[in-house]
Amino acid sequence: DTGVSQDPRHKITKRGQNVTFRCDPISEHNRLYWYRQTLGQGPEFLTYFQNEAQLEKSRLLSDRFSAERPKGSFSTLEIQRTEQGDSAMYLCASSPWDNEKLFFGSGTQLSVL
Amino acid sequence: DAKTTQPNSMESNEEEPVHLPCNHSTISGTDYIHWYRQLPSQGPEYVIHGLTSNVNNRMASLAIAEDRKSSTLILHRATLRDAAVYYCILRPQVTGANSKLTFGKGITLSVRP
Repeated sequence: DTGVSQDPRHKITKRGQNVTFRCDPISEHNRLYWYRQTLGQGPEFLTYFQNEAQLEKSRLLSDRFSAERPKGSFSTLEIQRTEQGDSAMYLCASSPWDNEKLFFGSGTQLSVL
Repeated sequence: DAKTTQPNSMESNEEEPVHLPCNHSTISGTDYIHWYRQLPSQGPEYVIHGLTSNVNNRMASLAIAEDRKSSTLILHRATLRDAAVYYCILRPQVTGANSKLTFGKGITLSVRP
């Protein structure tokens, strides 16, 4: 069990650029979650997958955000035309099944200049 | 989602017990009480969860009021490494649509040496 891995740990980009983050969940965890966290706030839910199916999306996930989990293993979160308000920590979590505890990665810190 | 209420912050001395309160007066009969904590620059980490009975594990104890409208996370001997934000979260038992965790702001625990 190597834990949930997120890449990169830090990303600095200019406003208007596209960015993509990757999450590798714990092996054989079929549920994968994306959260966003700004300073002083708790994590906010963005979306989750069961295997390759995206089962729920938050209203926070605007049209500029897209997440995929093509083979039910790793996932990517892409933000197009980044805005300064997108600056946050993006957290990924996985769990083996429903109502099991979630295992979080260390996150990707995005700074949009 | 049912809401929880926690104090903003709490201070403790090292080696002493810590009691972190959480109010959840609108809890439903199928809501589990989960606690996660988040150390600086890390993703949240599962601590403990319970439904009705008090629970113990190697990290902490969870005391649940008889009416389930409040609970207390107990750290038996605080260490400096326990300084973190602690989140009390209600998570429905029903599978599928209610899979996500909804975080509040949590309580920031400071531990004095």
